[in-house]
Amino acid sequence: DGGITQSPKYLFRKEGQNVTLSCEQNLNHDAMYWYRQDPGQGLRLIYYSQIVNDFQKGDIAEGYSVSREKKESFPLTVTSAQKNPTAFYLCASSPRTVGRYGYTFGSGTRLTVV
Amino acid sequence: AQKITQTQPGMFVQEKEAVTLDCTYDTSDPSYGLFWYKQPSSGEMIFLIYQGSYDQQNATEGRYSLNFQKARKSANLVISASQLGDSAMYFCAMREAPYNTDKLIFGTGTRLQVFP
Repeated sequence: DGGITQSPKYLFRKEGQNVTLSCEQNLNHDAMYWYRQDPGQGLRLIYYSQIVNDFQKGDIAEGYSVSREKKESFPLTVTSAQKNPTAFYLCASSPRTVGRYGYTFGSGTRLTVV
Repeated sequence: AQKITQTQPGMFVQEKEAVTLDCTYDTSDPSYGLFWYKQPSSGEMIFLIYQGSYDQQNATEGRYSLNFQKARKSANLVISASQLGDSAMYFCAMREAPYNTDKLIFGTGTRLQVFP
C-alpha cells in the first residue's frame, strides 16, 4: 500500500543536540511538507519542497533544516538553534498541484526535549 | 493574507445527534479549495471532505457535509448522527492561490467530544 512513513514515533532530545526526523513516501508525489503542531495553535508550516533538490522556508523555519535529495525522502533536522522544539511534527505529501484530496499525512513524530 | 479561523476550541455532542463545526476563511483569490481533516488521538490526519470555490453544490461524504456559504466566506462541517468514534480534533484548511506555491494553511482546530 502506498503511504507516508514517519520515524521514529517518539523522540527524546537533550538540549544542545541536533536530531533528524525521517519522512519517506512511496506515492510518487512531487511535493512534501513539514508541519509543527502545538496545542491550540493548529499546524504551522516549517518547510516544503515541490521538486527534488529544491525547498522553501515556511512560516517557522528558524532552527530547522531539510534536504530533498530523493523524491521519496524529506528529512527534517531540528537543530540546537530551535529554542522550543518540543512538539508534534507531521510530514505530508501531495501531487505538484494539490487536488481535491489535499495532502496525505504521515502518523507523526512526537519530539520531547529532556 | 489568506487565513482560516475556527472559533470553537471545543464542542460536545450527544451520540446520534448532529453537530456543526465552524470555519471561516479569508482570501482575495476567486479560485480556492477548502478541506476538513480529522485528527484522532493517535495523531494521523484523515481527509474528510473537500469544497472547491466553483463547485455548484455543497459537498457531502457519507455522514459529513459541508455548509458552504461563499458570500459569508464560511465552510462549516456538519456531522450527522454522531458516533463515539467521531471524538477527535477537526481542522479546516484552505489551499493557497495556485499561482503561488499551492500549499494548505490550517485553522487552529476544534476538539469534538461525543458522549453517550
